Amino acid sequence: EPEVTQTPSHQVTQMGQEVILRCVPISNHLYFYWYRQILGQKVEFLVSFYNNEISEKSEIFDDQFSVERPDGSNFTLKIRSTKLEDSAMYFCASSDGQSYNSPLHFGNGTRLTVT
Amino acid sequence: GNSVTQMEGPVTLSEEAFLTINCTYTATGYPSLFWYVQYPGEGLQLLLKATKADDKGSNKGFEATYRKETTSFHLEKGSVQVSDSAVYFCALGRGGAAGNKLTFGGGTRVLVKP
Repeated sequence: EPEVTQTPSHQVTQMGQEVILRCVPISNHLYFYWYRQILGQKVEFLVSFYNNEISEKSEIFDDQFSVERPDGSNFTLKIRSTKLEDSAMYFCASSDGQSYNSPLHFGNGTRLTVT
Repeated sequence: GNSVTQMEGPVTLSEEAFLTINCTYTATGYPSLFWYVQYPGEGLQLLLKATKADDKGSNKGFEATYRKETTSFHLEKGSVQVSDSAVYFCALGRGGAAGNKLTFGGGTRVLVKP
């Protein structure tokens, strides 16, 4: 069964550094998402992406965050200047968009640790 | 806004016991409802879904019925196995032009002992 893949599985970075989290969504999917889960808290929506542009973003997704689909397969999340509070598990997801109720398929996540 | 509340864990059961995880939601309109499961070291996997009132989602022996009158989507399994040990997330989907944006509950950790 096709799956969403994320790399790396664990990223450690120093405060103030830039990080790029990478994702390869399922190939025929049209909608792409990033979610995050801070340890002990809920899984939170960050951003959705469709037709090469952001379709919706949350309050968390401020100017420090950006997303890009640089080619036909990758979908990246960039954090320009990491803060301690950015430490979390980041999940990429995709959906086929065949209906408004299409389920999201998630990757295994990237654990980001900011020191 | 939309929100999902699910029972806090951990829930500890013996093998072959009956499992129920309560989930209630608050939403405008007619959301779709999902249960996702996260096994240790893995991502979120879709377990089952229901897209309208009175729909029953089922998969791997798990069931949940979309109850609009009680705004609930409780997850049940009649006889759990050790392999069902995981964290279970209830989620509400608000579909639209931006795709299907999910709002998650806090997750319920289930531990099944042999």
